[in-house]
Amino acid sequence: DTEVTQTPKHLVMGMTNKKSLKCEQHMGHRAMYWYKQKAKKPPELMFVYSYEKLSINESVPSRFSPECPNSSLLNLHLHALQPEDSALYLCASSLPGASTSHEQFFGPGTRLTVL
Amino acid sequence: DAKTTQPNSMESNEEEPVHLPCNHSTISGTDYIHWYRQLPSQGPEYVIHGLTSNVNNRMASLAIAEDRKSSTLILHRATLRDAAVYYCILRDSGGSNYKLTFGKGTLLTVNP
Repeated sequence: DTEVTQTPKHLVMGMTNKKSLKCEQHMGHRAMYWYKQKAKKPPELMFVYSYEKLSINESVPSRFSPECPNSSLLNLHLHALQPEDSALYLCASSLPGASTSHEQFFGPGTRLTVL
Repeated sequence: DAKTTQPNSMESNEEEPVHLPCNHSTISGTDYIHWYRQLPSQGPEYVIHGLTSNVNNRMASLAIAEDRKSSTLILHRATLRDAAVYYCILRDSGGSNYKLTFGKGTLLTVNP
């Protein structure tokens, strides 16, 4: 199984809502990532987890709260978002460690709209 | 991560070779050259990577200039399925090597 799955595919939420995005992989990867991609722009890294511990936070606002409950799951909890947070949220996974040959496998993304 | 420069867009005909260029004049000795592509409505996918020597895999070939300041991704016979945004990315072999810093990429259109 070389697949990263993300749910839901689409999400519409109001600025006062709390919602969560979910990402799952069963490739034994111990590094997992959240990226944000605005329309017609490249993906931008948000968070990196390595062995279930947060290792990189790219100065993301606290209204985005990541969680890695186990080695296969990655969540992104959303609260009090702004309309400008509307974007495609991509999850990825890879083998961890120092080798730069470790390719990242991406999921199809969750298309988020904040009203 | 060092910066890369790619053309905004390129066009090709089906079943013809495509050469996608990437300039990385500030590349350091420890930077690997990675290529990813993003098909419409999908997440990015890994294509190929290399350090100094040319590389081939089932998807593409990567030609790296001798001074490493540029590289070219070669699709030997383009198909309609190859229409995508192609990203050339430099990854340092040390430090925060988890990071992929995407540039603007090249939008490849393949004509039937």
